[in-house]
Amino acid sequence: GAVVSQHPSWVICKSGTSVKIECRSLDFQATTMFWYRQFPKQSLMLMATSNEGSKATYEQGVEKDKFLINHASLTLSTLTVTSAHPEDSSFYICSARDPRGPNTIYFGEGSWLTVV
Amino acid sequence: GIQVEQSPPDLILQEGANSTLRCNFSDSVNNLQWFHQNPWGQLINLFYIPSGTKQNGRLSATTVATERYSLLYISSSQTTDSGVYFCAVANTGFQKLVFGTGTRLLVSP
Repeated sequence: GAVVSQHPSWVICKSGTSVKIECRSLDFQATTMFWYRQFPKQSLMLMATSNEGSKATYEQGVEKDKFLINHASLTLSTLTVTSAHPEDSSFYICSARDPRGPNTIYFGEGSWLTVV
Repeated sequence: GIQVEQSPPDLILQEGANSTLRCNFSDSVNNLQWFHQNPWGQLINLFYIPSGTKQNGRLSATTVATERYSLLYISSSQTTDSGVYFCAVANTGFQKLVFGTGTRLLVSP
């Protein structure tokens, strides 16, 4: 079964509103999670590294005030897209490393965001 | 940062055919994974293979770390193999995966 769960799978929101996406590690504790964004027919681009109990580390070009990341517990990281605009419509997906095994990274199911 | 290139970008096969997908990376890595992305976007782990060879059913993978490439073999392809195949690598302790450009595979009946 899935070891990383993401919610919601699909979300439609109005321009100007904010939307929160949750990423949970189901049976392990993840001190570090990662958030990616994928545009249609393109590869996955890393947005930020989410660190439990501290600030997220954002990749170059990613607006930290636009994409708020909170990693309040060892099993939950959230991505909030603030003041959403149609150009924020995309597929967002999170990942986490299971520390019990080798360096295998597991991904959530992803979230399709449409801003209208 | 590390660069990851995959080839071919697109591949069309008849059901039952075999194929080889390639992943080249620009620096040494401590993590390399192959994923299959289905039409709903979900990423399915295929292999964790920073070096060596592994097999899982009709799929196998080989990574030659010293030459900075990895190969994914698909034998006796089926229509359900269609989708996008990504390799992703990491070369830091934080395991920040960098994704390749992907290979879009279509298997026709």
